[in-house]
Amino acid sequence: EIVMTQSPATLSVSPGERATLSCRASQSVSSNLAWYQQKPGQAPRLLIYGASTRATGIPARFSGSGSGTEFTLTISSLQSEDFAVYYCQQYNNWVYTFGQGTKLEIK
Amino acid sequence: QVQLQESGPGLVKPSQTLSLTCTVSGGSISSGGYYWSWIRQHPGKGLEWIGYIYYSGSTYYNPSLKSRVTISVDTSKNQFSLKLSSVTAADTAVYYCARGFRSGGGNAFDIWGQGTMVTVSS
Repeated sequence: EIVMTQSPATLSVSPGERATLSCRASQSVSSNLAWYQQKPGQAPRLLIYGASTRATGIPARFSGSGSGTEFTLTISSLQSEDFAVYYCQQYNNWVYTFGQGTKLEIK
Repeated sequence: QVQLQESGPGLVKPSQTLSLTCTVSGGSISSGGYYWSWIRQHPGKGLEWIGYIYYSGSTYYNPSLKSRVTISVDTSKNQFSLKLSSVTAADTAVYYCARGFRSGGGNAFDIWGQGTMVTVSS
């Protein structure tokens, strides 16, 4: 099983600032990586797939990068609605695994 | 637009079988091209993929749960279902159904149900 490790566990950022979230895979997943946003009491929402492709309707302030084992989700200018938990997911093999999440909180 | 809705008992006794159904609206499972998955989230924890089914009936399960999981599809009702046998308290979680689409080597999940909380307790 591929283990996904996200850092930091909690990130405190002020509105309008940039947030950078990291995700590391225990072995190469090529570009087979997705990012999700989850707000309390809601289902996850797909933000990015293929490591860098924004899903339909996702604002341009969200961007993804990386390949192999190191990935980054960047939110360029935080809006109030962006404070949530973010998960990465690898789908390089047929046992899909998620990271433990990064909680993005208001500083 | 496609929507998913989970349904089933919110309380299951230990050693019994958890059964959930996901109803798909706004689109047809039979049209193909998507992998219909179950994913769960333990309280306050991360996400765990359980398995998927294709409209043809082919399935793939997480090896950690494979011995207890069955996912089936009823295209006539536009539904797919999850059965998890011999449940314990460790199976208490929010269960989501989700639509997976093929991207590169596997599936990302673009549409999710709202989730249903299942508690295992006597």
